[in-house]
Amino acid sequence: GAVVSQHPSRVICKSGTSVKIECRSLDFQATTMFWYRQFPKQSLMLMATSNEGSKATYEQGVEKDKFLINHASLTLSTLTVTSAHPEDSSFYICSAGTSSTDTQYFGPGTRLTVL
Amino acid sequence: AQKVTQAQTEISVVEKEDVTLDCVYETRDTTYYLFWYKQPPSGELVFLIRRNSFDEQNEISGRYSWNFQKSTSSFNFTITASQVVDSAVYFCALRNTGGFKTIFGAGTRLFVKA
Repeated sequence: GAVVSQHPSRVICKSGTSVKIECRSLDFQATTMFWYRQFPKQSLMLMATSNEGSKATYEQGVEKDKFLINHASLTLSTLTVTSAHPEDSSFYICSAGTSSTDTQYFGPGTRLTVL
Repeated sequence: AQKVTQAQTEISVVEKEDVTLDCVYETRDTTYYLFWYKQPPSGELVFLIRRNSFDEQNEISGRYSWNFQKSTSSFNFTITASQVVDSAVYFCALRNTGGFKTIFGAGTRLFVKA
């Protein structure tokens, strides 16, 4: 079946640094990718919708200058957490959708810890 | 607005018991998809089922079964003869058929004790 990968799976960084997380669709072209954030013992909250070749659409309350999203190709989207702070520590999950089967596939997630 | 409600925050059962996880949804869309996902401690979402809004047939897959009632906007999930490996957080989710934006419920944490 279709696979979505994320890299890295875990990252620990110091406060004030930037962290980039990659999301790749391995065997299909994703017209749309999504980024979710999940705090401990909470649900997945949609952060933004990433469309190839255009600007991402952010959900209300998500700072677009802090969470930079780039969807450079139909198989790759990146999320950069700029000037990360401990409150940004979370589990970040991406998903990729393909219109051919109207199906969305989720990545395995990236656990970010900001010290 | 779309909304998914999973009223049960945590459920604890003893192995071999049956357990039902409730899901109630709200949407103004006439066509939509409903999903159930399992999230084990590793964090990776495991897809369990997708149901289209026009298909109200109940479905059974091994020990899992789903009851879709459009009249009550519910999509409940039953695990028969639960096992310790079923311990996880289960999410019910909703999205319209015109896009991929998915709304998740708060999740139900299931503990199955040996």
